[in-house]
Amino acid sequence: DTAVSQTPKYLVTQMGNDKSIKCEQNLGHDTMYWYKQDSKKFLKIMFSYNNKELIINETVPNRFSPKSPDKAHLNLHINSLELGDSAVYFCASSLFASGIRSRVTQYFGPGTRLLVL
Amino acid sequence: AQKVTQAQTEISVVEKEDVTLDCVYETRDTTYYLFWYKQPPSGELVFLIRRNSFDEQNEISGRYSWNFQKSTSSFNFTITASQVVDSAVYFCALSESETSYDKVIFGPGTSLSVIP
Repeated sequence: DTAVSQTPKYLVTQMGNDKSIKCEQNLGHDTMYWYKQDSKKFLKIMFSYNNKELIINETVPNRFSPKSPDKAHLNLHINSLELGDSAVYFCASSLFASGIRSRVTQYFGPGTRLLVL
Repeated sequence: AQKVTQAQTEISVVEKEDVTLDCVYETRDTTYYLFWYKQPPSGELVFLIRRNSFDEQNEISGRYSWNFQKSTSSFNFTITASQVVDSAVYFCALSESETSYDKVIFGPGTSLSVIP
């Protein structure tokens, strides 16, 4: 009964390819996120979706496109992969209590290790 | 602007020693949330604790304790009687509540090595 799952766990690909990473949560959360962790372990948010709507888009190249078919899924598609895209990508989810503006904890998936050669 | 500083990049301690990981944050909001996450060598991110800005009570959970001081904008994390399994990267994080969306800013992390 995994809470937040990501596939694949490892992804090795050539420069210029297009790839997707899938994320699913079974926590009943309404907000999902993608984070990038670089080689120095620095974690930075990329996107956030609330109820299938994009609410955060942090200066990420438009080669990255998140897609949320429903509240339980947020996939990340990357076009024309570059060497600098090599990183660990984490999906997370939380329950955004609308109207209360409280912040409930974000729960993270296991990460997808992307290596671009 | 939001900012989280973890001045200690790497710490090494001998097993059974106590260790404190420092976290200093910056925010203009009066309502905000602070978090600690653990990232063991296996790579996953494990939630440890969340505190809101209105609750300055210190918290203890087993060998873990947290000291939140608004006056110094700090949210330090202490591990008592450290164990090898505590070896991990620990992240402090901040979320402001006055924005219209849920954005968490992570500190750069402190890598803790507990030597047997």
